[in-house]
Amino acid sequence: GAGVSQSPRYKVAKRGQDVALRCDPISGHVSLFWYQQALGQGPEFLTYFQNEAQLDKSGLPSDRFFAERPEGSVSTLKIQRTQQEDSAVYLCASSHVAASDTQYFGPGTRLTVL
Amino acid sequence: AQRVTQPEKLLSVFKGAPVELKCNYSYSGSPELFWYVQYSRQRLQLLLRHISRESIKGFTADLNKGETSFHLKKPFAQEEDSAMYYCALTSFQGAQKLVFGQGTRLTINP
Repeated sequence: GAGVSQSPRYKVAKRGQDVALRCDPISGHVSLFWYQQALGQGPEFLTYFQNEAQLDKSGLPSDRFFAERPEGSVSTLKIQRTQQEDSAVYLCASSHVAASDTQYFGPGTRLTVL
Repeated sequence: AQRVTQPEKLLSVFKGAPVELKCNYSYSGSPELFWYVQYSRQRLQLLLRHISRESIKGFTADLNKGETSFHLKKPFAQEEDSAMYYCALTSFQGAQKLVFGQGTRLTINP
């Protein structure tokens, strides 16, 4: 079946621009996670949704980062006034329910801020 | 604080040789431990998790709570094992967010 999809796969932004990254989770998956992976590092947690509720946003690095999942399915990660340090791969993962289920990852969006 | 340490960024072994990728963790409680793998041009995927005690593609990992380690092992490496490997942990409670190590790039030489 279809896995987690993300779009765009690559995004180049000029410093100061706003960007929006989309995640389509596996159908029926309740939980959705966003991670940020800088070059040469492991993924780092950004935020977590259970259905449409954002239950944990402790990993968002600044108030320029905003995520939403209004209907409990597709999620968008928005970064305002992008900075060079925002350059990274942004990974989305979904799981059936939060507790103990495997997280399935999307291919990621590679964001480059010039 | 939760932390996962993978001391080797790069590991190179010959085909047929044993492989061990090291992972140490710090966590106040009883975490669940995972190994994720990313093959070239593919997405991150689960290799194994300690709670299931499975052997996947010949890999095993034993949780050693005394040494807070979860090393990944395979007795005979194969060329298709070349990939990026990430150790990760999560809590059994709450948001189940994964905490990853920096990863080890494993290269199997023919």
